[in-house]
Amino acid sequence: GQSLEQPSEVTAVEGAIVQINCTYQTSGFYGLSWYQQHDGGAPTFLSYNALDGLEETGRFSSFLSRSDSYGYLLLQELQMKDSASYFCAVRGGDSNYQLIWGAGTKLIIKP
Amino acid sequence: DVKVTQSSRYLVKRTGEKVFLECVQDMDHENMFWYRQDPGLGLRLIYFSYDVKMKEKGDIPEGYSVSREKKERFSLILESASTNQTSMYLCASSFDRSYEQYFGPGTRLTVT
Repeated sequence: GQSLEQPSEVTAVEGAIVQINCTYQTSGFYGLSWYQQHDGGAPTFLSYNALDGLEETGRFSSFLSRSDSYGYLLLQELQMKDSASYFCAVRGGDSNYQLIWGAGTKLIIKP
Repeated sequence: DVKVTQSSRYLVKRTGEKVFLECVQDMDHENMFWYRQDPGLGLRLIYFSYDVKMKEKGDIPEGYSVSREKKERFSLILESASTNQTSMYLCASSFDRSYEQYFGPGTRLTVT
């Protein structure tokens, strides 16, 4: 089967750095995406990794290791507005049209 | 800016009713998707469409059907609504085989 594992909840302090991990088991793999979803809002795209290594976009970075079937999202200089759920999603499986989604990680930021 | 709109933010229906959820995108995207989102389960794909009049089943198609008569519009149909279909329904679109999907605001459907 296809599965993605990520922690259900992570807590961090404003101004700190937090890492949200994602491990995957899929029959095919083209890349790993990350999405952010605020309470009551729609998911919005953050980043995509098709190749191994670190991709940086401002305060957010995403890492992929295909040999370990593992990736993470790194958020730096945390702000209260970063409180949200973060989803990893794999483009792969039996169809490269679809994304296979993790259950999401709720990030709680304390002042 | 890509815009994906959904016909209703909140909807309350009775068991056994036929329910139509509509989604429209304005970016000429080939692919459109219907998901449902339940707490702790993430997003689960119901159906997707990669072209007009084309549709493919996702992970949980039972009890649902879809229609795509025009490129910009993708409809989700609950033939006979049941209480276990109470959920948040999200529509998304993407260009070609893109990893970047654009989501609508969602429809929170309650079936009583």
